[in-house]
Amino acid sequence: DTGVSQNPRHKITKRGQNVTFRCDPISEHNRLYWYRQTLGQGPEFLTYFQNEAQLEKSRLLSDRFSAERPKGSFSTLEIQRTEQGDSAMYLCASSLANTGAGGYTFGSGTRLTVV
Amino acid sequence: AQSVTQLDSQVPVFEEAPVELRCNYSSSVSVYLFWYVQYPNQGLQLLLKYLSGSTLVESINGFEAEFNKSQTSFHLRKPSVHISDTAEYFCAVSPSSGYSTLTFGKGTMLLVSP
Repeated sequence: DTGVSQNPRHKITKRGQNVTFRCDPISEHNRLYWYRQTLGQGPEFLTYFQNEAQLEKSRLLSDRFSAERPKGSFSTLEIQRTEQGDSAMYLCASSLANTGAGGYTFGSGTRLTVV
Repeated sequence: AQSVTQLDSQVPVFEEAPVELRCNYSSSVSVYLFWYVQYPNQGLQLLLKYLSGSTLVESINGFEAEFNKSQTSFHLRKPSVHISDTAEYFCAVSPSSGYSTLTFGKGTMLLVSP
C-alpha cells in the first residue's frame, strides 16, 4: 500500500485558468476528504465523500470548486476561473468509515500557485 | 461547531531542552483530539490522538499530550527535543460522533537549535 497519493505535487497557473487535482486514496478506504491549507493557517475542511457520494461541503467551497469521486475510488478537485486567493496547499485524506477522524491518512498535498 | 486555539505561533528551543506546545479547544459536544506534525513540503502525519480512556497519550518518538476536560486543553510535551523535531505542529479536534471532519488550529512552528 503506497498511502494516499496526490498529483500533481505543484501547479502554477495563471489567474482565470481552470485546474484539476487528483487524489488516490488507500484502496480499502471508503471515505475521502479534501482540505485546503493557506500560508500560516491550519488546514480547513472543504468536502468529503463516502464511496461515491459527496456527503458534506464547506461554505469555503464556492461554486467555482467542484469535487467528484466516480466509482468511489480516486477523486478530483477542479477549480474554475482561478483567483490569487486560491493559492494554497490542497490536501487529501482517506479513512475507513468506522474509524472516522481517528483513522485519517493524509497525502502530501498539491501546492497551487495562481499568478 | 468546534474551534482550536494554539497560543504560540512559534516556539524556539535548544536541543535536549523540554518543550510544551499549547492547545485549547472549544466545543459544545464531546470530542476527539489530535496532534499532527508537518515537515517542510510534506503532508500531515498523525503524532498522537485522544479518543477515550487514559487522558495521557504518548507517541512512539517521545511526545505526550494530556487531555484536560475542565480546562479544555490538550497540550503537547516532550522532555528532551532533537533537531529533527523541527516542524510545524497542528492541534485538531473532531466530534466524537457524527461527521468525522477535523478542525485545526493555526499551528505552532517548533524551531530546535543546537
